[in-house]
Amino acid sequence: GNSVTQMEEPVTLSEEAFLTINCTYTATGYPSLFWYVQYPGEGLQLLLKATKADDKGSNKGFEATYRKETTSFHLEKGSVQVSDSAVYFCALVNTNAGKSTFGDGTTLTVKP
Amino acid sequence: GAGVSQSPSNKVTEKGKDVELRCDPISGHTALYWYRQSLGQGLEFLIYFQGNSAPDKSGLPSDRFSAERTGGSVSTLTIQRTQQEDSAVYLCASSLVQGAPTEAFFGQGTRLTVV
Repeated sequence: GNSVTQMEEPVTLSEEAFLTINCTYTATGYPSLFWYVQYPGEGLQLLLKATKADDKGSNKGFEATYRKETTSFHLEKGSVQVSDSAVYFCALVNTNAGKSTFGDGTTLTVKP
Repeated sequence: GAGVSQSPSNKVTEKGKDVELRCDPISGHTALYWYRQSLGQGLEFLIYFQGNSAPDKSGLPSDRFSAERTGGSVSTLTIQRTQQEDSAVYLCASSLVQGAPTEAFFGQGTRLTVV
């Protein structure tokens, strides 16, 4: 079946540091990949997505590249801000099944 | 509506009572999900509806939990004989599955507290 694995340990960074949150997946076929963000007290919202191999999704300074060879979709940002503090979820949708599968979420705290 | 709407936003209930949580998905979205999120935890999948297919109930934690989706639109999640461990935020999401599936759009959730 489909699964998504992301680093579960909370990440704490200083402002302007470089961010990487790892995400790897297992799926049949050619899934679409997503990163969602949940800011404190808010609902989940889409951050970025990629629908095929080698695609790069980007938004708000965040980027992730769909790597089929390593089955990964790592989230990166060159310079984080305090306002980026949130929980980040990696997810996939298998085109055939249509059902989303989410990782367990990674909490990012950015300190000034 | 413009987004996924859930009601109530907050619910406090006594242990042993039944509760119903409602989700209005985005109009035209064929897929609907229920998730549970406990404090500081990730998303726990509960149930998935897609069009007229039989729902995927594989995430329901016990037979006290059930959900239905009437007319392919509004969904109700029912928890019978609530327990304190049922306290969590219950999230509903919908998506359009037509050819290539799109991202899921989430509601604000219902915070359930069982006392």
